[in-house]
Amino acid sequence: AQSVTQPDIHITVSEGASLELRCNYSYGATPYLFWYVQSPGQGLQLLLKYFSGDTLVQGIKGFEAEFKRSQSSFNLRKPSVHWSDAAEYFCAVGATGNQFYFGTGTSLTVIP
Amino acid sequence: DAGVTQSPTHLIKTRGQQVTLRCSPKSGHDTVSWYQQALGQGPQFIFQYYEEEERQRGNFPDRFSGHQFPNYSSELNVNALLLGDSALYLCASSRWKQETQYFGPGTRLLVL
Repeated sequence: AQSVTQPDIHITVSEGASLELRCNYSYGATPYLFWYVQSPGQGLQLLLKYFSGDTLVQGIKGFEAEFKRSQSSFNLRKPSVHWSDAAEYFCAVGATGNQFYFGTGTSLTVIP
Repeated sequence: DAGVTQSPTHLIKTRGQQVTLRCSPKSGHDTVSWYQQALGQGPQFIFQYYEEEERQRGNFPDRFSGHQFPNYSSELNVNALLLGDSALYLCASSRWKQETQYFGPGTRLLVL
């Protein structure tokens, strides 16, 4: 069965510190992987996506993610967090024409 | 270029009532998917429409129905509302068989 696990419900980091949000997936075929960000009361904004090729993908706002097939992981990273990055982050897995499966999200708090 | 739009932004209904939510896809997109996001959860897939037909459906009861119009816009209808239907309803659009979905800001439904 397809599923996405985000083990960290809530993470707090200091502004300027590095960030890594974890995502593990279960999917029968080659997955398409996505990270979305959601600010309070807002919809989802696409940060980055992985379909194939280079396993390190770059996204918007300075985010990057690395696909590791052997670990079934697609972790999101940012070298230096800004206060405006505080939001809810969702990892999703999908395939062409198919539905997306989302994780339960990781809430990020950034402290000055 | 307008993104995905949804209306209304907020809605309050009472148990047993019926509700209709609306979505206009991003320009150039022909596929619309609907998701339910309960408080503190990730989005859950309801169904997907393409060429005015429901193409895929998630694990939601028949009280949830939809429609797609020739201009690709879509409606989500929920009958016999339950308290548990209170959630943020997200619409996502894409091109058919293209993997990336773009989300609207959502409609927040409160059932009293």
